[in-house]
Amino acid sequence: DARVTQTPRHKVTEMGQEVTMRCQPILGHNTVFWYRQTMMQGLELLAYFRNRAPLDDSGMPKDRFSAEMPDATLATLKIQPSEPRDSAVYFCASGLSQAGVRTQYFGPGTRLLVL
Amino acid sequence: AQSVAQPEDQVNVAEGNPLTVKCTYSVSGNPYLFWYVQYPNRGLQFLLKYITGDNLVKGSYGFEAEFNKSQTSFHLKKPSALVSDSALYFCAVRDLEAAGNKLTFGGGTRVLVKP
Repeated sequence: DARVTQTPRHKVTEMGQEVTMRCQPILGHNTVFWYRQTMMQGLELLAYFRNRAPLDDSGMPKDRFSAEMPDATLATLKIQPSEPRDSAVYFCASGLSQAGVRTQYFGPGTRLLVL
Repeated sequence: AQSVAQPEDQVNVAEGNPLTVKCTYSVSGNPYLFWYVQYPNRGLQFLLKYITGDNLVKGSYGFEAEFNKSQTSFHLKKPSALVSDSALYFCAVRDLEAAGNKLTFGGGTRVLVKP
């Protein structure tokens, strides 16, 4: 049963520290999305990649957030330096782009708490 | 621009009764419509989608949704709710004619099914 995996599942850190979240998309999927979920803002799209190339990262604060896909099996989302307002659940999703991604499959999320 | 509205923050229903979760959308072109469910401390799970064809779409766990173009709605339904259906439900839309693969999510509706 193929699924998206994310590590770590939980992260507690102090303000100013670097945080790296990892995502392994479903094998064969060529599109990866990063979302952030908070009570106030709901689900927000931060960035997405197709065939490892960033297509849209307009939802991501550029000064502290960065997203990369070093290879087809790994996507990373990095926050440096982290701030308390970054506390949220971060979801990765993957899909297969054939004339547009029809369905996105979500990972279990990384719950981040910045103190 | 595309948008989704889920007018109810919470829906309470007794077990065995019909369940409806409302969703309305706005897109400039033709919509792809999705429902996802989120159980506590879990990622989003895909329930069903409408792309084209029959307006009544059947999905996982006995859920179905009806696409109504004139009312721009895509309400989620289940004829007989179970306690295990208690979760957070998200409606999402993608504009078929828009560039990119952005899914826009509604704010979510919490469903509580009481025994």
